[in-house]
Amino acid sequence: GAGVSQSPSNKVTEKGKDVELRCDPISGHTALYWYRQRLGQGLEFLIYFQGNSAPDKSGLPSDRFSAERTGESVSTLTIQRTQQEDSAVYLCASSLVGRTGKPEAFFGQGTRLTVV
Amino acid sequence: SQKIEQNSEALNIQEGKTATLTCNYTNYSPAYLQWYRQDPGRGPVFLLLIRENEKEKRKERLKVTFDTTLKQSLFHITASQPADSATYLCALGSAGNNRKLIWGLGTSLAVNP
Repeated sequence: GAGVSQSPSNKVTEKGKDVELRCDPISGHTALYWYRQRLGQGLEFLIYFQGNSAPDKSGLPSDRFSAERTGESVSTLTIQRTQQEDSAVYLCASSLVGRTGKPEAFFGQGTRLTVV
Repeated sequence: SQKIEQNSEALNIQEGKTATLTCNYTNYSPAYLQWYRQDPGRGPVFLLLIRENEKEKRKERLKVTFDTTLKQSLFHITASQPADSATYLCALGSAGNNRKLIWGLGTSLAVNP
């Protein structure tokens, strides 16, 4: 597609339920990031995928959070047993990283997650 | 540890003036630095990239400087307009094996008519 697509755009879930967030990056982009942004706060890094390298999971806040990416395509972020503090906007970004690539990140519109 | 600092206080300026935002970093040697704009309820949008061997970059009313000795980048918006009101973030990247971007928390800019 023309840009990074995230779904759903909004998700309301009950505390304790699992949620799955989806990100479709720009075709051909080798790098994919997940961030969390709470209201009025900065970007909180969660996880980074770069090609076939092992993902950088250093930002995942707990073992309730996990993410997968198959090759250079779709990624899913899963939050198990959601808590109210998980409420935030989850942003996905992709970029073309390489010697000839432009490293700027293109963001999706985000998924606004509300845990009630 | 790697750290990026941006003005934490909101910047308020009068329309027509030049806005200057600062991005300082420590414990890092970036290959490039980027500036993004974020509007409420939306993801950040890329504005400009400047590489370590560049001192200055311009794009329309935007100008970015990069001083690797001071470990600082300045982002200028000349002839500012109310439509420039947003949060501006800087991000640093390396050319090494880990290409993960490192982000500042952003500075909020309000341009008053």
